[in-house]
Amino acid sequence: KNQVEQSPQSLIILEGKNCTLQCNYTVSPFSNLRWYKQDTGRGPVSLTIMTFSENTKSNGRYTATLDADTKQSSLHITASQLSDSASYICVVSADQGGKLIFGQGTELSVKP
Amino acid sequence: GAGVSQSPRYKVTKRGQDVALRCDPISGHVSLYWYRQALGQGPEFLTYFNYEAQQDKSGLPNDRFSAERPEGSISTLTIQRTEQRDSAMYRCASSLWHRGEDTQYFGPGTRLTVL
Repeated sequence: KNQVEQSPQSLIILEGKNCTLQCNYTVSPFSNLRWYKQDTGRGPVSLTIMTFSENTKSNGRYTATLDADTKQSSLHITASQLSDSASYICVVSADQGGKLIFGQGTELSVKP
Repeated sequence: GAGVSQSPRYKVTKRGQDVALRCDPISGHVSLYWYRQALGQGPEFLTYFNYEAQQDKSGLPNDRFSAERPEGSISTLTIQRTEQRDSAMYRCASSLWHRGEDTQYFGPGTRLTVL
């Protein structure tokens, strides 16, 4: 069964600190892995997209890694800001990208 | 330019009624996707189109759900004989081309409440 699992479920950090979110997946055939940021009441916004051959990709203070052998990905947020408070969703694409399997998300709260 | 738009933004209906949710993708985007998101959950894939052709409808929960995109642009997701469990946020996304790596741009969603 295609599945995407994220951890932790929720996280609270102080402004300026770093954090790392985890994503494990069992999806076949694998096409790519995406990390989305979703603010409350808003649609998901794409942060990074990585294909099988990519190990890391950065978008500003966000850095995603992918280990296709162990089927694990992480999203590292550097020097967190209050505006980083959101749900971060790991999404794995199967079937040449047409079908997306979403994780449950990690709820991140950045406190001043 | 304009993003993905959806209408209505909110829909309240009585159980047993049919509803039609509309998605207007970004102009020129070939691929269009429908998702359903329950409160506190991640989006759940429903179906997607390339142009007017429905490529994958395996995510549709049952035969009360259908979608069409007759002219390869605007799409309609129809739910017949609505049930309370259908209450959710229905989100539409579009991407330039179905290559997997293309970013999907999401609309604001339609909040459906079935009483």
